[in-house]
Amino acid sequence: EAEVAQSPRYKITEKSQAVAFWCDPISGHATLYWYRQILGQGPELLVQFQDESVVDDSQLPKDRFSAERLKGVDSTLKIQPAELGDSAMYLCASSLGWLNIQYFGAGTRLSVL
Amino acid sequence: GENVEQHPSTLSVQEGDSAVIKCTYSDSASNYFPWYKQELGKGPQLIIDIRSNVGEKKDQRIAVTLNKTAKHFSLHITETQPEDSAVYFCAVLGSSNTGKLIFGQGTTLQVKP
Repeated sequence: EAEVAQSPRYKITEKSQAVAFWCDPISGHATLYWYRQILGQGPELLVQFQDESVVDDSQLPKDRFSAERLKGVDSTLKIQPAELGDSAMYLCASSLGWLNIQYFGAGTRLSVL
Repeated sequence: GENVEQHPSTLSVQEGDSAVIKCTYSDSASNYFPWYKQELGKGPQLIIDIRSNVGEKKDQRIAVTLNKTAKHFSLHITETQPEDSAVYFCAVLGSSNTGKLIFGQGTTLQVKP
């Protein structure tokens, strides 16, 4: 069964450092999402791509976060500089289209010290 | 914007009993309501979903009911088993014409053998 791949699974960094997360969606899925999940809460959307275009980044802290999906396939989410409050699980999801079922990867757990 | 409230936050049942989790939402234009199960260290996995033209949907031991007038929907798990123990999230597809899912706060279900 096809899965959304994410790496790394875990990342520990010090505040003010730069971190990057990678996501490879299910083949053929045009829509890709990055969610942030704080411990004990539900996921919150950071950014949504349709192919290589950003559809919704209204909740992305653009002063420190950036996301790209250059060829409309895999995607990278970057944080620079990381802050203590960024500690969370970063989840990638993909779907055939924005009205279709979203499939989630296992996530990257970030700890900022 | 859309707001989703989920109750209870924790639920403990004996194996074989039923479990019910309820969610309310605020945007009457919302029309897609998925439920996700998240096990420790994993990403959310879709277990059942319902669209607004249907009042109830069942898949083996799992069922979801939707009351659009009252703006609430519920997850019902019958004959619970220890492997049902996990965190369950309801979600609502917002009416913003993007794929943004608004998640509830989660319910930790513990099934005691």
